[in-house]
Amino acid sequence: QVQLVESGGGLVKPGGSLRLSCAASGFTFSDYYMSWIRQAPGKGLEWVSYISSSGSPIYYADSVKGRFIISRDNAKNSLYLQMNSLRAEDTAVYYCARAQAGIAAGFDPWGQGTLVTVSS
Amino acid sequence: QSVLTQPPSVSGAPGQRVTISCTGSSSNIGASYDVHWYQQLPGTAPKLLIYGNSNRPSGVPDRFSGSKSGTSASLAITGLQAEDEADYYCQSYDSSLGYVFGTGTKVTVL
Repeated sequence: QVQLVESGGGLVKPGGSLRLSCAASGFTFSDYYMSWIRQAPGKGLEWVSYISSSGSPIYYADSVKGRFIISRDNAKNSLYLQMNSLRAEDTAVYYCARAQAGIAAGFDPWGQGTLVTVSS
Repeated sequence: QSVLTQPPSVSGAPGQRVTISCTGSSSNIGASYDVHWYQQLPGTAPKLLIYGNSNRPSGVPDRFSGSKSGTSASLAITGLQAEDEADYYCQSYDSSLGYVFGTGTKVTVL
């Protein structure tokens, strides 16, 4: 069945870096746009970044622009999020999600999430 | 901060009907971008509940329905059940901000 599995979360100091991965299975990964979405503890959902099926175009939320880099490897059925210059406010569960067709698409399914904690 | 506004909480007795509103603006819902709804059960990832304003993915009970009008959208749950107790989020696209989510609504079954 369609499955997304995130990894790479953990504890990192402010100013540090972390790389998240998302392994996709059960569908033709190269056909789909993908996104990262995060949820701070006890808070709502916040879209982070979006990448087309081919790798371009790419979009970022203003809150992470210039610090985070989304990428994908279609040969490995994998999505990545390189997070640099991390701040305390980046602490959240990070989900990868498959985008439905179209620019105003919904997201389905979502992975189980990986927790990133930014703290000294 | 979220640009789509939802009530923080709604509640109802088993079997009742509850609705959750999602209010946006002319740059998102009012710009004819679709609205989608997600259900997040405690401790789990969000799950797509309604897509394209009013469509249910396979496996979603027909107790859940969505609608959209102007700059707002609504999710209705009829025949409320204990298992519907969860957080619900609307989502759309904003011409300036990209993908946007609602503030979230906690549904409590009394």
